[in-house]
Amino acid sequence: EADIYQTPRYLVIGTGKKITLECSQTMGHDKMYWYQQDPGMELHLIHYSYGVNSTEKGDLSSESTVSRIRTEHFPLTLESARPSHTSQYLCASETAGGTDTQYFGPGTRLTVL
Amino acid sequence: RKEVEQDPGPFNVPEGATVAFNCTYSNSASQSFFWYRQDCRKEPKLLMSVYSSGNEDGRFTAQLNRASQYISLLIRDSKLSDSATYLCVVPNQAGTALIFGKGTTLSVSS
Repeated sequence: EADIYQTPRYLVIGTGKKITLECSQTMGHDKMYWYQQDPGMELHLIHYSYGVNSTEKGDLSSESTVSRIRTEHFPLTLESARPSHTSQYLCASETAGGTDTQYFGPGTRLTVL
Repeated sequence: RKEVEQDPGPFNVPEGATVAFNCTYSNSASQSFFWYRQDCRKEPKLLMSVYSSGNEDGRFTAQLNRASQYISLLIRDSKLSDSATYLCVVPNQAGTALIFGKGTTLSVSS
C-alpha cells in the first residue's frame, strides 16, 4: 500500500467559502499531482509539481491553486467555492527512476451547496 | 486520434469467462504503458505496467502492439472481484504527465 493521504475525505460546504484540500505522502516522491474526477468520468489533471517550489497547471483549467513548500505536502486551495467545483479530487505521487508509476490517495469528495 | 481511447463497455461476463479490453493511443514515442483498476468511488490503483511487448501477472496479461498503437488487457477465469473500471494510461506527448483513458467497465456475475 502506498503512503499517501488526503484530508478531508468528504467535505460539504457553502458557496463562497475558502477551502484547502490536504495531500501528503511519506515516500519522498518528488512528483505530485492533483486530478479532478466527476462520477463515471475520466480523471483530468489540474495541477502537478516536480519538486519543492515547482507547480504547473494541468490539462484541465481549474480555479484552484496549489503550493509545494515541502516535498511531502501538496495542498490544493479554492479561494471561493462554487457548486461547479463539486467533484472528487484525487492526489497522486510518482516513484523516482522514471517508471511513471503513480500512487493515488483515497480522494476528497467535495460538495459545494 | 485521441491521446488515449477505450471502449467504455460495460462488459458483462459470467464468472470464469475470458475478457479482453483494447486501448489505442496517439503518442507513438511512448515507452511505458499502464493499466489501472478503479473500483466504484475509490482511487485508481496500478494493475500492470507494460514497457516492452507485454506483461503477464497471474490471470492478467497485457500486450502491446506498437505498430498499431494499441495495448490490450486480457483477464482469464474472471472472478466476481474483478468487477471494476479498467483505465488505460499513457504518458502525454510532452512526457510531463500521464493521460488516463475514460476506462472500460467490467461486471462479472455469478
